[in-house]
Amino acid sequence: NAGVTQTPKFQVLKTGQSMTLQCAQDMNHEYMSWYRQDPGMGLRLIHYSVGAGITDQGEVPNGYNVSRSTTEDFPLRLLSAAPSQTSVYFCASSKYAGGPFHEQFFGPGTRLTVL
Amino acid sequence: AQKITQTQPGMFVQEKEAVTLDCTYDTSDPSYGLFWYKQPSSGEMIFLIYQGSYDQQNATEGRYSLNFQKARKSANLVISASQLGDSAMYFCAMREGGNDYKLSFGAGTTVTVRA
Repeated sequence: NAGVTQTPKFQVLKTGQSMTLQCAQDMNHEYMSWYRQDPGMGLRLIHYSVGAGITDQGEVPNGYNVSRSTTEDFPLRLLSAAPSQTSVYFCASSKYAGGPFHEQFFGPGTRLTVL
Repeated sequence: AQKITQTQPGMFVQEKEAVTLDCTYDTSDPSYGLFWYKQPSSGEMIFLIYQGSYDQQNATEGRYSLNFQKARKSANLVISASQLGDSAMYFCAMREGGNDYKLSFGAGTTVTVRA
């Protein structure tokens, strides 16, 4: 099993550009989520999904879009990149059924710099 | 309000000694899970240990144990016999049943193990 994979590992954008961060998991997990991590802070939830076709906002959703057309994939789109979106982005997945008792498995992260 | 509070920004510990990382949480939900993750300098998020709100016994995983005091709403991580490879950032996190299982993180504690 590859677990949770993310591409790219590194990305530099100019202000105003758009891009998509890819996330895929091969564990048949219903629950997927995107986080950002800024220096000196814990991870903050951007968007999450409890299954294909279902997405919802987290703590810091502005400037980001998501979709979930399959169980495996959960891409994150930056619509018009801003320097404030410079961060490390993590994708994670977990089981959903059975309560809030499942650990989330994290991808390796994408380091994004917006100039 | 902060759901997860980690009050120790950084700690030093001597190799082979034990270290306790503090975590307090805030929830009125009876159904929740508490998680600890390790983030080494390489950046990946590694799941360490989990405690469910209904669990009667403290969780243990190898050298990691979780000191769960439900009435005090604390979930401290104890690392026994510290090794140089334990030097990392440690995050406490919580999922709540009534919050769509969203994972909330504390700000983290940096542990440095000295030889």
